[in-house]
Amino acid sequence: EAGVAQSPRYKIIEKRQSVAFWCNPISGHATLYWYQQILGQGPKLLIQFQNNGVVDDSQLPKDRFSAERLKGVDSTLKIQPAKLEDSAVYLCASSLAEGIGTQYFGPGTRLLVL
Amino acid sequence: SQELEQSPQSLIVQEGKNLTINCTSSKTLYGLYWYKQKYGEGLIFLMMLQKGGEEKSHEKITAKLDEKKQQSSLHITASQPSHAGIYLCGADYTGTASKLTFGTGTRLQVTL
Repeated sequence: EAGVAQSPRYKIIEKRQSVAFWCNPISGHATLYWYQQILGQGPKLLIQFQNNGVVDDSQLPKDRFSAERLKGVDSTLKIQPAKLEDSAVYLCASSLAEGIGTQYFGPGTRLLVL
Repeated sequence: SQELEQSPQSLIVQEGKNLTINCTSSKTLYGLYWYKQKYGEGLIFLMMLQKGGEEKSHEKITAKLDEKKQQSSLHITASQPSHAGIYLCGADYTGTASKLTFGTGTRLQVTL
């Protein structure tokens, strides 16, 4: 069974530029999560989708971050404009459904903002 | 202060030695997840504990949940270089297995 796929793996941008990350969850998984992991810290949940609806985006900085999961499968996370403090690893995870099943993580996208 | 504290922050052990990593919560746990992360990679699921006193093992890794103390321990027997990485515990405080709160991790190095 294929795992969670993410791209790109690495991205370097200058502050105030825009960037987008892509995630393809495990087939059949209805719930998709985006986490931000700053160096030396544990992952922090940014947004959770159930199919194509948002379940929790309370920790998403909505002035610059946006995410969508239009067809209930793939998801895109965007940052516009990026700040230095956005440098982190962005992890995507998926699970069968909310409250059901373990969260399985992708390899992450490492973002460096200069 | 952190809701979920891991100790130690880092650990260096000689190959073949046993070790224990602890994860202590300041709030009631509905579930506790253990993940392993290698540098530059995603999290690999190890084990999930839900009930007080529950203990699970996979190969040489055993995890226990002490409900009274709101604490979990991860024990590795006869460590190998392949065990090196960052061990993260994630707490389910909502009972939905969704919004996990993670500790800051324990970095394990295994020397030859």
